[in-house]
Amino acid sequence: EAEVAQSPRYKITEKSQAVAFWCDPISGHATLYWYRQILGQGPELLVQFQDESVVDDSQLPKDRFSAERLKGVDSTLKIQPAELGDSAMYLCASSLDLSGRNEQFFGPGTRLTVL
Amino acid sequence: SQKIEQNSEALNIQEGKTATLTCNYTNYSPAYLQWYRQDPGRGPVFLLLIRENEKEKRKERLKVTFDTTLKQSLFHITASQPADSATYLCALESGGSYIPTFGRGTSLIVHP
Repeated sequence: EAEVAQSPRYKITEKSQAVAFWCDPISGHATLYWYRQILGQGPELLVQFQDESVVDDSQLPKDRFSAERLKGVDSTLKIQPAELGDSAMYLCASSLDLSGRNEQFFGPGTRLTVL
Repeated sequence: SQKIEQNSEALNIQEGKTATLTCNYTNYSPAYLQWYRQDPGRGPVFLLLIRENEKEKRKERLKVTFDTTLKQSLFHITASQPADSATYLCALESGGSYIPTFGRGTSLIVHP
């Protein structure tokens, strides 16, 4: 069964360092999402792509976060510089296209710890 | 402001009973509402979707209701099992916005 791949699974970094997360969605899925999830909270949408275009990044802290999906397939989320408050689970998800009628398929996530 | 509310307190029930979880929302007009299951340290897994013009949806032991007047969805698990213990998240979007929003989830603990 096709799955969303994410790497790394775990990342420990010191504040002010740069970190990058990678996501490979299910083949054929046009829509890709990056979420941040703090323990005890629901996933918070950071950025949403339709193919290579950004649909929404209103919750992305653009002074330190960036995301790209250059060829409309895999995607990278970067944080530079990392801050203590960035410690969280970063989830990537994909769906067939833009619509609430389509289920989202989530990857296993990247657990980030900033020291 | 827009808000999705799920009970932050864990729901504890005995095996074999029906678990009922609630998702309330304000200032949304969702065309669709989805329920997901999340186990510790893992990504959410899709369970059910219900449309605004549907009142009820079933899948095996799962049932979802959607009341757009009350602005509420109920998620039921019948004949609950310890393996059903997890956090259950509701997610919705307003028609046309394409931007999904998740609730904080409710933890379900099924005791043998």
